[in-house]
Amino acid sequence: SQTIHQWPATLVQPVGSPLSLECTVEGTSNPNLYWYRQAAGRGLQLLFYSVGIGQISSEVPQNLSASRPQDRQFILSSKKLLLSDSGFYLCAWSVQGVSYEQYFGPGTRLTVT
Amino acid sequence: QKEVEQDPGPLSVPEGAIVSLNCTYSNSAFQYFMWYRQYSRKGPELLMYTYSSGNKEDGRFTAQVDKSSKYISLFIRDSQPSDSATYLCATPGVGGYQKVTFGIGTKLQVIP
Repeated sequence: SQTIHQWPATLVQPVGSPLSLECTVEGTSNPNLYWYRQAAGRGLQLLFYSVGIGQISSEVPQNLSASRPQDRQFILSSKKLLLSDSGFYLCAWSVQGVSYEQYFGPGTRLTVT
Repeated sequence: QKEVEQDPGPLSVPEGAIVSLNCTYSNSAFQYFMWYRQYSRKGPELLMYTYSSGNKEDGRFTAQVDKSSKYISLFIRDSQPSDSATYLCATPGVGGYQKVTFGIGTKLQVIP
């Protein structure tokens, strides 16, 4: 069966500090991978998605970036965090071409202070 | 116009009630519609999806699409306190087989 991991579970970072969140998927190959942010009262916002190694599509221009160095690894980064980056970050995967069935990880709660 | 719109609630019902959760969508060409459930501080989980119009049933849950009015619904029969969660509707849009747009979610509380 497939499993998706995210870490860390919670993170408190000062403004201006860097960020690295990691997501890995087990039990499947060549998945689509997604990063979402969920801020209070704002719903799920798609940040990035990837259809393969090194292939990243950005949905929201901001100070975040994503990378996919391996087939089942997806990393979300920032060089300098802003207060507005606080939120619940979720990684998800789906089978290629079947985006309507997405499976989410447990999430990382980020607080920027 | 957003691809899917959803009332954020909250919606509070007594245990055993029939719950109706609803969304509207913007484009009549949309074909796939999904419902996700999200417990507090957890990632969303896929409940069910429907293709085109009509109903789909899974246990106490029924998803319904009305293409004439561009309206999607999730019904929960015999609601339980364990159903207390936020329910999100979603669609991959037209030809959007790589990404999905989610509604803001409706927070449901089932009171024992």
